Amino acid sequence: GNSVTQMEGPVTLSEEAFLTINCTYTATGYPSLFWYVQYPGEGLQLLLKATKADDKGSNKGFEATYRKETTSFHLEKGSVQVSDSAVYFCALERNTGGFKTIFGAGTRLFVKA
Amino acid sequence: DGGITQSPKYLFRKEGQNVTLSCEQNLNHDAMYWYRQDPGQGLRLIYYSQIVNDFQKGDIAEGYSVSREKKESFPLTVTSAQKNPTAFYLCAGGTYNQPQHFGDGTRLSIL
Repeated sequence: GNSVTQMEGPVTLSEEAFLTINCTYTATGYPSLFWYVQYPGEGLQLLLKATKADDKGSNKGFEATYRKETTSFHLEKGSVQVSDSAVYFCALERNTGGFKTIFGAGTRLFVKA
Repeated sequence: DGGITQSPKYLFRKEGQNVTLSCEQNLNHDAMYWYRQDPGQGLRLIYYSQIVNDFQKGDIAEGYSVSREKKESFPLTVTSAQKNPTAFYLCAGGTYNQPQHFGDGTRLSIL
């Protein structure tokens, strides 16, 4: 079946450190892949997306590349800020009928000043 | 402004009581979704609807009910049959192969 696996958190970094949050997926067909961010007490917001193999999504300094050969979509940022502290969700949208999105469990990031 | 509006932001339920969470959208999304989020956990799909007057159960539908009488509205009722309703509930709207838009959530607690 379809599934998304993210690295467990929490991840704690100092300001200006490099961030990687791993995400791998299992899916039939050719899903679109997304990263969402959730700030405390709020809903999820789209951070970036990629719709086909080798696409790179980017936004606000975050990047992720759709790697079909390794079924991965790792999130990276070169220099994190305190304001990046949030929960990050990797997700896939099935292409084989239906509108369902499969979310990973989420990874909480804490950035210390 | 366009978006997904959930109300109320906080809700309290007494034992044996049904409560209804509101979700309204003005983004013209065909599909709408209800998710449950527990502390430190990911999102679990409760119900979803792809068109008006039609909806499907998600992974944890027991103890919940929904209706989709019009495109803009997708209310969720948490019934007394849901024995552990305390959670953060998120409503979303979407279109096929596009990212979902989320509301700001309703936090439900038991009195």
